[in-house]
Amino acid sequence: DQQVKQNSPSLSVQEGRISILNCDYTNSMFDYFLWYKKYPAEGPTFLISISSIKDKNEDGRFTVFLNKSAKHLSLHIVPSQPGDSAVYFCAASLGGSQGNLIFGKGTKLSVKP
Amino acid sequence: DVKVTQSSRYLVKRTGEKVFLECVQDMDHENMFWYRQDPGLGLRLIYFSYDVKMKEKGDIPEGYSVSREKKERFSLILESASTNQTSMYLCASSAGGALSYGYTFGSGTRLTVV
Repeated sequence: DQQVKQNSPSLSVQEGRISILNCDYTNSMFDYFLWYKKYPAEGPTFLISISSIKDKNEDGRFTVFLNKSAKHLSLHIVPSQPGDSAVYFCAASLGGSQGNLIFGKGTKLSVKP
Repeated sequence: DVKVTQSSRYLVKRTGEKVFLECVQDMDHENMFWYRQDPGLGLRLIYFSYDVKMKEKGDIPEGYSVSREKKERFSLILESASTNQTSMYLCASSAGGALSYGYTFGSGTRLTVV
């Protein structure tokens, strides 16, 4: 059973507009959430994270929102740029020193010029 | 910068061959992981290791084994390669407790089994 779900396999957005990528989770014990970005033929790279004690974390054009009651998080990219076109993975952790990450299946974002 | 280096970017192997995928990290991380990425299936955990000479099965360990003789090196072994093991293989490492930055991934190895 998938504990981390990204229900949209793909998203297409116009350059300059907002991109919103969504992620739902089922385990209320997750205490850290992360977003990774992956270009073809490269490994995923860390983008932004949020602790479960917060509801928002911002880093430049990227903002992650966490709604614990809905078990939902979202990544906002404003403004979107063609270089943002990639696959975005949502990940969650149960914490502890080992803290395995559980990944969603990814959403492919295409930003059109 | 933490570097996770995977020895090969592209590999082509024959069915039945024994295949070794090597991964080295240079930041003294305790934890190392092997994933495979397939379209529509996301990242699936094969094996992971929290310390030298220890290993734990992930979600899809069948057909694979691992070796961690030194802290910096984590090897994935395909005992007898099959066509359904054609995939992108990703190695990752993390320091214990460093959840705010999660994993650092290597660039991946695209393996084709023919």
